[in-house]
Amino acid sequence: DVKVTQSSRYLVKRTGEKVFLECVQDMDHENMFWYRQDPGLGLRLIYFSYDVKMKEKGDIPEGYSVSREKKERFSLILESASTNQTSMYLCASTRTGGLGQPQHFGDGTRLSIL
Amino acid sequence: GENVEQHPSTLSVQEGDSAVIKCTYSDSASNYFPWYKQELGKRPQLIIDIRSNVGEKKDQRIAVTLNKTAKHFSLHITETQPEDSAVYFCAASQGTGGGADGLTFGKGTHLIIQP
Repeated sequence: DVKVTQSSRYLVKRTGEKVFLECVQDMDHENMFWYRQDPGLGLRLIYFSYDVKMKEKGDIPEGYSVSREKKERFSLILESASTNQTSMYLCASTRTGGLGQPQHFGDGTRLSIL
Repeated sequence: GENVEQHPSTLSVQEGDSAVIKCTYSDSASNYFPWYKQELGKRPQLIIDIRSNVGEKKDQRIAVTLNKTAKHFSLHITETQPEDSAVYFCAASQGTGGGADGLTFGKGTHLIIQP
C-alpha cells in the first residue's frame, strides 16, 4: 500500500517566517504534487515535480516554491508566510505509467499563519 | 486551463436511495477523470476513476459515466449507507503525461445520508 507521509499534521507560524512543509513517499513514485485545500474551493494545485530537481508550476504558485533533491521527498516552501496562506496542504504522488495515474494523498498539514 | 464545475454542493438522501453527483469540464483534451471521497479530518481517497476510452465503469455500488461530447461525467452511488456520508470531489486531467499531470478538482459535494 502506498504511504505518503507529511511531516506535520498541524503547524503554526508567524507572518514573514520562512516555512517548510515536508512530504515523503515510500513507493518509488516519479511524480509528486502539492495542493492546498480551502473550504468551498476544493483542492488547487500549487506545484508538481516529475523527477528529481524538476518542478512545474500549477494553478496557484505565487508565494510558494518547491524543492526535490531526492526522489522520495518533495518540500513546499513559503518564502515569507502571509495570513492568506493559512490552509490545509496536501501532498500526493503517482507512478509514471499509461493514460491517467491515480494520485495517492498524505494526511495533510493544517497550517495557520498568525 | 481546465475548469471543473461540480453540482450539487450539498446532497441529502435517505438511506437506501441513490445519489448522483455531476461534473462538467472545459478542456476537451482532458482524458482522465477520478473521483475522491474525503471523510472529516482524513485524506482524500480515490474511489473510482475513468479514462476517456470508456463511457462507463462500475465497482459494486459505485458507477461513473462519461460523456466526452458534452464534457460531463457523473458519480452514481446506489443503495446508500451511512458510511457513504462524506465530501466527494471530481477531478480532471489530460492524463497524457503518464502520471505527471496535476488534477483540476471540482469544489466538492457534501453527501449526507439520512437514516
